[in-house]
Amino acid sequence: AQSVTQLGSHVSVSEGALVLLRCNYSSSVPPYLFWYVQYPNQGLQLLLKYTTGATLVKGINGFEAEFKKSETSFHLTKPSAHMSDAAEYFCAVSDGNNDMRFGAGTRLTVKP
Amino acid sequence: DTAVSQTPKYLVTQMGNDKSIKCEQNLGHDTMYWYKQDSKKFLKIMFSYNNKELIINETVPNRFSPKSPDKAHLNLHINSLELGDSAVYFCASSQDFAGAYEQYFGPGTRLTVT
Repeated sequence: AQSVTQLGSHVSVSEGALVLLRCNYSSSVPPYLFWYVQYPNQGLQLLLKYTTGATLVKGINGFEAEFKKSETSFHLTKPSAHMSDAAEYFCAVSDGNNDMRFGAGTRLTVKP
Repeated sequence: DTAVSQTPKYLVTQMGNDKSIKCEQNLGHDTMYWYKQDSKKFLKIMFSYNNKELIINETVPNRFSPKSPDKAHLNLHINSLELGDSAVYFCASSQDFAGAYEQYFGPGTRLTVT
């Protein structure tokens, strides 16, 4: 079965700084990979996803992620953090058979 | 229009009671899910239905019983509530059960058992 590890349960950056949230996955088949964001007291919403094709995926709100098969990674980045980016971020992996596994989440704090 | 809606948003009840949470999606999706999110934000899938048929039933106490009257609705009934059931429960839907499709989440139902 596939699994996801998010390195760092809490990441703090200054406004305007680079955001880097780390995600490594384990899957026996080519994975489908997702990043979701959860704002306080809300449900999760999709930031971006990788299925096939281009390994650099662009999402909403200026986020992007790169699928690196050799490193089994799918790290999320944003060049310049905004205060509004403060939220919980979840990486998820699916094997294509209705079995999506979520990571434990990374809380992003943005300091003024 | 809300894509995935859940009612109620908050639910406070005592141990031993029975309660239900309702979920509806207006996206025309075939697959719906129930997740439990604990106090540490860990998200665990409980059930998945595709076209009203149960396709995933994780290790969940049989006090939890999902019901799908049609493919737009997936309700969760919980019997004999316990303190450990306190959590936020999320309903979600996706176009199909194939894993390439993203899931759309409802706003969550915060269940507190006292």
